Amino acid sequence: DAKTTQPTSMDCAEGRAANLPCNHSTISGNEYVYWYRQIHSQGPQYIIHGLKNNETNEMASLIITEDRKSSTLILPHATLRDTAVYYCIVRAPRGGSNYKLTFGKGTLLTVNP
Amino acid sequence: DAGITQSPRHKVTETGTPVTLRCHQTENHRYMYWYRQDPGHGLRLIHYSYGVKDTDKGEVSDGYSVSRSKTEDFLLTLESATSSQTSVYFCAISEPGAQRVNEQFFGPGTRLTVL
Repeated sequence: DAKTTQPTSMDCAEGRAANLPCNHSTISGNEYVYWYRQIHSQGPQYIIHGLKNNETNEMASLIITEDRKSSTLILPHATLRDTAVYYCIVRAPRGGSNYKLTFGKGTLLTVNP
Repeated sequence: DAGITQSPRHKVTETGTPVTLRCHQTENHRYMYWYRQDPGHGLRLIHYSYGVKDTDKGEVSDGYSVSRSKTEDFLLTLESATSSQTSVYFCAISEPGAQRVNEQFFGPGTRLTVL
């Protein structure tokens, strides 16, 4: 799995868009970008994933650069409940025995009132 | 939220005692996982299951065993608990398939303390 780099922490005002960057310069052609988050004392939560096109769901949007070396997770209208650690994971589809998700240190997003 | 429950949610036990944690899902997902989360180590995979009676080891399987006798239940057993197994344990589920296997849905966690 390709290595990812994320800022340690970010702040965002409530109601504003939160843009969380992730660098994955060594990503290979068949690897997808996944985003998870973990709210304090809860289990990780899957948010979104993409290969090369921008993706949007009810939780967030994922913007992947054309060269696929970086991506941005966008929470369009952050709320206090979005305060969490956000993890960017780059991973190839697996059909074999390696199903382990590797969570790095992630970005602590703090949404302020 | 995915229908995943873990029991117990909190447990305090003594060194040397056996402990069983249960993960129950109502999603009929084929794959199930047990992770542990510790400060400084992040999430680490203990064991996983890719079907009823089909299980395999993860990266930190020593001291743990698992069983899956039906689709909805995945049990994690500490045969003889040690203080190093004090941790928060998360169960996760996913479906097979090229992308979906990486969409893992996590339970609320079990906080285990071994004294």
